[in-house]
Amino acid sequence: AQSVTQPDIHITVSEGASLELRCNYSYGATPYLFWYVQSPGQGLQLLLKYFSGDTLVQGIKGFEAEFKRSQSSFNLRKPSVHWSDAAEYFCAVFTGGGNKLTFGTGTQLKVEL
Amino acid sequence: NAGVTQTPKFQVLKTGQSMTLQCAQDMNHEYMSWYRQDPGMGLRLIHYSVGAGITDQGEVPNGYNVSRSTTEDFPLRLLSAAPSQTSVYFCASTQRRGELYGYTFGSGTRLTVV
Repeated sequence: AQSVTQPDIHITVSEGASLELRCNYSYGATPYLFWYVQSPGQGLQLLLKYFSGDTLVQGIKGFEAEFKRSQSSFNLRKPSVHWSDAAEYFCAVFTGGGNKLTFGTGTQLKVEL
Repeated sequence: NAGVTQTPKFQVLKTGQSMTLQCAQDMNHEYMSWYRQDPGMGLRLIHYSVGAGITDQGEVPNGYNVSRSTTEDFPLRLLSAAPSQTSVYFCASTQRRGELYGYTFGSGTRLTVV
C-alpha cells in the first residue's frame, strides 16, 4: 500500500539558514508527489508538485524539491528561511482509484529570529 | 474568489448530536474529498467522490456519511457525534487528471465533540 513518511516531527532553524525537510514515499507506480504548507489556523496551500521530467522542481515562496527515485525521496529545500516560513509542511503522494492523496504526518517548522 | 468554501468554521457538538459540514466549490471540479486532521497523524481520507452521484469510502469512513447530488456540493454528515470525532475537517477538490494539478483545499472546520 502507498505511504508517505516524514521522519522529522519538529525542526527548528534560524532565520536566514538553509532548510531541508525529508519525505520518503512507498508507491509501486510512478509517483505524483506534492508538498503542501499549512499556516496556523489555515487550510493547506500547494507549494510544488512533481509528476515527470526534471527531478528538481521549483515552487512558490522560494521552495524547491528534488525527486530521487533510487532513494524513494522527495525532500523539500529552501536556501534561506524567513520567519514567515514557520508553519507545518506536508508531503503527499497522489494515488489512483479516485484521485486520492495520501499524506505524511507533517513536519512542524519553527524559525528562530 | 474561486475556491473551496467550508461552513461552519467552528462547531461544538454534544455527544450523540448530528450535524452536516458543508463544502462547496465553484471550479467545476469533478473530484472532491473530505479529510480529517489530527495531531501527529497528518490528514486522513474520510470519503471521496469522483463525480455527481458517485461516492466511496476512504481510510476512516466510520461514523460519517456523504452524498454528491451536484458537482458543486459535497456535504459531510455526522450521524451521532462522538468525542473521537473531535478534529479539524478539510474539504478538497481537483479536476480530471488531478495528479497533474494537486488538490485545492478549503480553510477547514474545527469540530469539538463534548
